[in-house]
Amino acid sequence: DVKVTQSSRYLVKRTGEKVFLECVQDMDHENMFWYRQDPGLGLRLIYFSYDVKMKEKGDIPEGYSVSREKKERFSLILESASTNQTSMYLCASSSSPGTGYSDEQFFGPGTRLTVL
Amino acid sequence: GENVEQHPSTLSVQEGDSAVIKCTYSDSASNYFPWYKQELGKGPQLIIDIRSNVGEKKDQRIAVTLNKTAKHFSLHITETQPEDSAVYFCAAPSGYSTLTFGKGTMLLVSP
Repeated sequence: DVKVTQSSRYLVKRTGEKVFLECVQDMDHENMFWYRQDPGLGLRLIYFSYDVKMKEKGDIPEGYSVSREKKERFSLILESASTNQTSMYLCASSSSPGTGYSDEQFFGPGTRLTVL
Repeated sequence: GENVEQHPSTLSVQEGDSAVIKCTYSDSASNYFPWYKQELGKGPQLIIDIRSNVGEKKDQRIAVTLNKTAKHFSLHITETQPEDSAVYFCAAPSGYSTLTFGKGTMLLVSP
């Protein structure tokens, strides 16, 4: 059974703290994604990676960075957390399409981050 | 980039009724349209998808229709059950392996 795991289900941090959100997938997928989910705004892409050490900005990268040192692990970093980064963060992975079509994304359960 | 609009934002139906959620997209080159279901406390999960070479696809009680000329696609759920209650997202490709998601529809099925 395919699996995407995230390091924490709930996280509470203080303004200005450095925050690490970890994501691990066991499907040998090339692509990994970080989204944030807010009521009324749906899923918005923060960053994605299509290979080890590769990263691309999504729609809302400001205030975030990422790291992908190993194929199975993709980390989201909040260098200096702010209250407007309070949100649900979802990690996903997918295989490379190869044929030009997009492929199914498998999501983790999410991390609800609160920044006080 | 791709823009995906999804309606309605909330939908309440009685058990056994049908539910329809509609999405429009902007990029006429888009060729893949998935639907995801997110249950409470879980991440979204793919329930059905359609590629641009077909107009309709069915899987038991759910179906998706695609109108490429009008650039819209719809999710149809028949004989709804309480376990269908969830948030549903449509999506369309927005670049290499990436998707743009609609804002979601909260479906509530009352017994």
